[in-house]
Amino acid sequence: AQRVTQPEKLLSVFKGAPVELKCNYSYSGSPELFWYVQYSRQRLQLLLRHISRESIKGFTADLNKGETSFHLKKPFAQEEDSAMYYCALSGSGNEKLTFGTGTRLTIIP
Amino acid sequence: EAGVVQSPRYKIIEKKQPVAFWCNPISGHNTLYWYLQNLGQGPELLIRYENEEAVDDSQLPKDRFSAERLKGVDSTLKIQPAELGDSAVYLCAVGDGGVAGELFFGEGSRLTVL
Repeated sequence: AQRVTQPEKLLSVFKGAPVELKCNYSYSGSPELFWYVQYSRQRLQLLLRHISRESIKGFTADLNKGETSFHLKKPFAQEEDSAMYYCALSGSGNEKLTFGTGTRLTIIP
Repeated sequence: EAGVVQSPRYKIIEKKQPVAFWCNPISGHNTLYWYLQNLGQGPELLIRYENEEAVDDSQLPKDRFSAERLKGVDSTLKIQPAELGDSAVYLCAVGDGGVAGELFFGEGSRLTVL
């Protein structure tokens, strides 16, 4: 079974401060991990995926198989980062995408 | 351009009434998904299509929910009869085929059952 846990429902951070959104997963095989974001009044969209190892809008995420984590990080928060963030997992060769419950990030000016 | 158009955006009905949602992909995608999102929760898969075939409908409550994807393009999701607990946002998404996990979502259809 696939499971994604995001322990924080709400997270408030001051502008310019570092941000870390936590994500832990449970999967017996080799997972593929993703972060999706939903800005106010916009549709859910892909932010980044671990296989591409890229930085999008200053965000990065490293897959830690030992800790089964895929935390999302940004060194300096910006007001436009306020949004709902969902961590998601897909098993290798499995098209099913399982989402966590999400974290609402609020950047305080 | 990838993505889907969903309709209606909002629907309010009384319990025991039927309701239908439509999903129209903007461009061709083999894989189409219907997700359910309850308030404060992440999206949960209801059904996944590969072309016209439903390849994963294990989470679809088949006693009241039904779905179809005609000609492997547009899709409909129906609830009959609706219950109070069906109040949620119904999301349609399409996949890019070659990249697992990269889904393009619609804006969703918000259902309120009174």
